[in-house]
Amino acid sequence: AQSVTQLDSHVSVSEGTPVLLRCNYSSSYSPSLFWYVQHPNKGLQLLLKYTSAATLVKGINGFEAEFKKSETSFHLTKPSAHMSDAAEYFCVVSGGYSTLTFGKGTMLLVSP
Amino acid sequence: DVKVTQSSRYLVKRTGEKVFLECVQDMDHENMFWYRQDPGLGLRLIYFSYDVKMKEKGDIPEGYSVSREKKERFSLILESASTNQTSMYLCASCGTDNTGELFFGEGSRLTVL
Repeated sequence: AQSVTQLDSHVSVSEGTPVLLRCNYSSSYSPSLFWYVQHPNKGLQLLLKYTSAATLVKGINGFEAEFKKSETSFHLTKPSAHMSDAAEYFCVVSGGYSTLTFGKGTMLLVSP
Repeated sequence: DVKVTQSSRYLVKRTGEKVFLECVQDMDHENMFWYRQDPGLGLRLIYFSYDVKMKEKGDIPEGYSVSREKKERFSLILESASTNQTSMYLCASCGTDNTGELFFGEGSRLTVL
């Protein structure tokens, strides 16, 4: 069995400040982990993925995430938020394409 | 550029109507999925298909059926729409590399009155 918990339903930051979106997972095997982003009225787009290679994963638009097995975490970070980062972010754990489990999402709000 | 296209972005239907949601992908992917997205609940899998004419139930299949007659097309059918099926429906596809990376359409927002 697997599960994923996004610890914050909403995160508010000011433009130019760091972003931290938190995700904890549980899995009975070595999982693949993903972050997806969804802009308003759009589908989901892959930001980055971890598939048991380097634990620090770099994605698009300056985002990165670190896989920490001891903490069962896969937090998403960005050094400096931009207005265009305002969107909903989903953490996903995968045991294969038919066993994807989505978190409930974190809405990122960016103020000028 | 890879693409998953959901032909209807916004639909308004009445209770009891039959509803078809169409999804087409141009990436020759074997696997296709239908999810439902509701605020605070994330994405929930309705059905998926790993080959033409094959289908598997997801987490919330009740009230839905699917059809996959061609590799590129995966249809979601609501035989008799109900108000609790008002939602955003997302189609996705992926290849057989089994990494879990999905390609999503832009969604179909269905309102059932």
